[in-house]
Amino acid sequence: AQSVTQLDSQVPVFEEAPVELRCNYSSSVSVYLFWYVQYPNQGLQLLLKYLSGSTLVKGINGFEAEFNKSQTSFHLRKPSVHISDTAEYFCAVSDYLGNEKLTFGTGTRLTIIP
Amino acid sequence: KAGVTQTPRYLIKTRGQQVTLSCSPISGHRSVSWYQQTPGQGLQFLFEYFSETQRNKGNFPGRFSGRQFSNSRSEMNVSTLELGDSALYLCASSLAGGTANYEQYFGPGTRLTVT
Repeated sequence: AQSVTQLDSQVPVFEEAPVELRCNYSSSVSVYLFWYVQYPNQGLQLLLKYLSGSTLVKGINGFEAEFNKSQTSFHLRKPSVHISDTAEYFCAVSDYLGNEKLTFGTGTRLTIIP
Repeated sequence: KAGVTQTPRYLIKTRGQQVTLSCSPISGHRSVSWYQQTPGQGLQFLFEYFSETQRNKGNFPGRFSGRQFSNSRSEMNVSTLELGDSALYLCASSLAGGTANYEQYFGPGTRLTVT
């Protein structure tokens, strides 16, 4: 069984400052990792995914994440945040490619301070 | 291309009643998954349907059921509603098959309130 830990439930950041949202996972098999964003009253939107290959993954809206197998982490970063990045961010894991069952972390609420 | 649509968007029901939620996947997608989102438990996988068959199931009681039609549209049903069933129910669709382009696309959700 897999599990995902998002250590920070809330992260306040000043506008134009960098941000890192942390995600650690636990799995006994190969993993496929995802970051989703949820804006108020909306569903989830995929930011980026790691399936294989390069451990540095670039996604939409200027976000990137690095897969670190030894530390079982998949932290999300953005060098300069905007007010529009205010949302909840979820890290998720799947144990095989094509497994539709995603295991989600508890989410991190990112608040951008003007 | 139209996204995943869910109806209704909001629903208020009374304890003991039953409810049916509907999900229309993106055209061409054959896999439909359902998730429950609550403040206390977060996002939890309910079940997944592929080609009208339940292929995967989460850890929910039998009061939660679903089905998929030949056009890939899916419905989920909750019988004998409890207060704890109040949640945002999200549907997601994908092409399935495990390719490098794999991605689940989520709908806006149905907000169910049980009183």
